[in-house]
Amino acid sequence: EAQVTQNPRYLITVTGKKLTVTCSQNMNHEYMSWYRQDPGLGLRQIYYSMNVEVTDKGDVPEGYKVSRKEKRNFPLILESPSPNQTSLYFCASRERNTGELFFGEGSRLTVL
Amino acid sequence: DAKTTQPPSMDCAEGRAANLPCNHSTISGNEYVYWYRQIHSQGPQYIIHGLKNNETNEMASLIITEDRKSSTLILPHATLRDTAVYYCIVRVVVAGNMLTFGGGTRLMVKP
Repeated sequence: EAQVTQNPRYLITVTGKKLTVTCSQNMNHEYMSWYRQDPGLGLRQIYYSMNVEVTDKGDVPEGYKVSRKEKRNFPLILESPSPNQTSLYFCASRERNTGELFFGEGSRLTVL
Repeated sequence: DAKTTQPPSMDCAEGRAANLPCNHSTISGNEYVYWYRQIHSQGPQYIIHGLKNNETNEMASLIITEDRKSSTLILPHATLRDTAVYYCIVRVVVAGNMLTFGGGTRLMVKP
């Protein structure tokens, strides 16, 4: 089954404690991206990757890092989380020919 | 990306057709119209997309006006499970960065 898998789905952490949200897709997609969703603000893009070892900033990259060492994985790294990074995070990959986006189920992060 | 305008909310009776409008008057010739929906806080789900011809799949139909400045997503027989936020986006298929989602239309299907 074609899918995008994120982990963890839920996490409560404290300010400054580094964390990583993993994302993996099994569709051999070149394009992957991270979004955050906050009430009233829709989905905002954090980082995206057009292929292995190629990453670019989206609309709200501050406080986040990403890496793309292999095609299937695109982890989101919060080096020093702060309460304003409390949000619902989605990873997505994109089918090359149609442009269709496939989203993960989301990771709800709370930073205290 | 061309900007899209959607009504913030709509109601529909269960079993009736839900017609969700989207205006995209600044759309470029190579931009497609995409529709996604998000149920509660789940990941957005792709519904359909088109360039200029009307499209239909098992989920919905997409009607694009001849001048391509607006489109309508049609759910032919809405069910309670179709209650969701529906997003209309216009985008070049192979552009480098990803889609950005605006506010969408919150569709409430009522019994």
